[in-house]
Amino acid sequence: AQRVTQPEKLLSVFKGAPVELKCNYSYSGSPELFWYVQYSRQRLQLLLRHISRESIKGFTADLNKGETSFHLKKPFAQEEDSAMYYCALSVNSGGSNYKLTFGKGTLLTVNP
Amino acid sequence: KAGVTQTPRYLIKTRGQQVTLSCSPISGHRSVSWYQQTPGQGLQFLFEYFSETQRNKGNFPGRFSGRQFSNSRSEMNVSTLELGDSALYLCASGRGDVGEAFFGQGTRLTVV
Repeated sequence: AQRVTQPEKLLSVFKGAPVELKCNYSYSGSPELFWYVQYSRQRLQLLLRHISRESIKGFTADLNKGETSFHLKKPFAQEEDSAMYYCALSVNSGGSNYKLTFGKGTLLTVNP
Repeated sequence: KAGVTQTPRYLIKTRGQQVTLSCSPISGHRSVSWYQQTPGQGLQFLFEYFSETQRNKGNFPGRFSGRQFSNSRSEMNVSTLELGDSALYLCASGRGDVGEAFFGQGTRLTVV
């Protein structure tokens, strides 16, 4: 069975500092990896997915199959980045790749 | 366009009762997934429906069931409620062929 691990429950950085949210996964095949974000009092929303390889709000994430990691990075954190971040993995099952396995999440706080 | 809508937003039920939660997906989305979110277990996949057929099911007891209607709206039902069923239940919809899921704001179920 697949598993997603986010080792940090809490992460606090200062504005302008680099930030890295760690995500490791276990799955023997080729999964799709995602980062979802939940800002205060808002719904869970997709931040980025590895196959699109795009940068959203300055965040990037590279899939490292050797280390089975998908860490989220941003060179200069902003206060508005404060939120709960979830790493998620999906595998094709039953003709569907909507079965998402989530990590427990990392609460990022960016201090002024 | 309107997002995923879940009703009701809050529910209080007594142990042993049953409950039905409703989800209206984004127009044009044919996949609806359900997740349970608790502080201890995080986000856990319940099931996914596509064109009225269940494509995937998570590791939950048979007390948890769902269905999807021809207009893609979905309901989930929990019978014989237990205290441990208290959680935020999230619904997510998608186009059906990609892993990106659009989440609703959830229904907060409290079992007393």
